[in-house]
Amino acid sequence: AQSVTQLGSHVSVSEGALVLLRCNYSSSVPPYLFWYVQYPNQGLQLLLKYTSAATLVKGINGFEAEFKKSETSFHLTKPSAHMSDAAEYFCAVSDLNRDDKIIFGKGTRLHILP
Amino acid sequence: GAGVSQSPRYKVAKRGQDVALRCDPISGHVSLFWYQQALGQGPEFLTYFQNEAQLDKSGLPSDRFFAERPEGSVSTLKIQRTQQEDSAVYLCASSLDSSGYNEQFFGPGTRLTVL
Repeated sequence: AQSVTQLGSHVSVSEGALVLLRCNYSSSVPPYLFWYVQYPNQGLQLLLKYTSAATLVKGINGFEAEFKKSETSFHLTKPSAHMSDAAEYFCAVSDLNRDDKIIFGKGTRLHILP
Repeated sequence: GAGVSQSPRYKVAKRGQDVALRCDPISGHVSLFWYQQALGQGPEFLTYFQNEAQLDKSGLPSDRFFAERPEGSVSTLKIQRTQQEDSAVYLCASSLDSSGYNEQFFGPGTRLTVL
């Protein structure tokens, strides 16, 4: 079975500082990995995805994530946080061999300090 | 733009009432998914349709939950005899098809509160 673990339900960083949101996955088959962002009262928006091509994936809004098979990790980073980055972030995994359903982590709420 | 829409956006029900939640996927999208997001949690898979066929309903928490997509477009998630533990945001997503990777596009969700 697939699963995702996000370390830290809340993360606070200062504006302009590095953002690092941690995600570890478990999968018995090569995974597809995603990061989604959810702003208050809005739907989920795809930030970036790993689909077995380049291990360093660049997404929208300056975010990127690196797939590390040896560490079973897919951490999300952004060099310089902006106030508008405050939101809930979900790491997720999918097995495209089984009907595409996405397994989400519990989420990390990112707070940006002025 | 024409994204995934859901209605109602908010629903308050008394315990024991039946509710119906509607999802309008992006036109032409073959696959449709329902997820349940409890407060402070990540979304959890409920069920999946490919056109009108319900191919996976393994995530439905009880037989009080029923989903349909009779014409392969609009889908309805019905919850009978609602309980307080059913309070959550119900998210719908659609994707172009199920061959290879296709991004799932999510609607804004329906927030259900059962009193």
